Amino acid sequence: VVTQEPSLTVSPGGTVTLTCGSSTGVVTSGQRPHWFQQKPGQAPVLVVYDSSDRPSEIPARVSGSNSGNVATLTINRVEAGDEADYYCQVWDIISGHPYVVFSGGTKLTVV
Amino acid sequence: QVTLKESGPALVKPTQTLTLTCTFSGFSLSTSGMRVNWIRQPPGKALEWLARIDWDDDKFYSTSLKTRLTISKDTSKNQVVLTMANMDPVDTATYYCARMRSDTSGLFEYWGQGTLVTVSS
Repeated sequence: VVTQEPSLTVSPGGTVTLTCGSSTGVVTSGQRPHWFQQKPGQAPVLVVYDSSDRPSEIPARVSGSNSGNVATLTINRVEAGDEADYYCQVWDIISGHPYVVFSGGTKLTVV
Repeated sequence: QVTLKESGPALVKPTQTLTLTCTFSGFSLSTSGMRVNWIRQPPGKALEWLARIDWDDDKFYSTSLKTRLTISKDTSKNQVVLTMANMDPVDTATYYCARMRSDTSGLFEYWGQGTLVTVSS
């Protein structure tokens, strides 16, 4: 099970950090979580991959990292357009079978 | 440019079998390393991975749904088809197809727009 904060609220211009952990406490050991942003009625959009890499179209104020046994997504200088649901995703291969896990999502509200 | 698009019925009745088609462009599923997945999202809920088919016709399914799912590909048509048997109202969701990056990252790098399927009598 991959866990996240169900919801977070941040003011425009502020900084917010979303976390992605596991019930075993070690989601990131050997794994490189990916982060998706999803706005209502839209497909998920990749914002960070392989823990900390960013697609070219994603601004530098969005960053990802691993800290201990928790992956984090940090958004600096938050804008109204950052309001969305955010999901982290990990996967592993066990006995040749892929296991894909999405977190429950964090609803980010900008007010 | 890689694109994927899902198609299928918007409404199915309980116990019926759902058939969804993912039509893609910008790559070939006969190319080594290519993988196409199905993922769904019930209204207001989280994403759930369903199935994957690889360029070499390897197939993988969600352990919780494997008895109901079948994934197949038609390389000549650039299509991947997912069938889900014995549909139930809890299967109401937006169904996405997504291409996975051809490495060990497990990254869904390209997504379709999704298609909403409602299960109701």
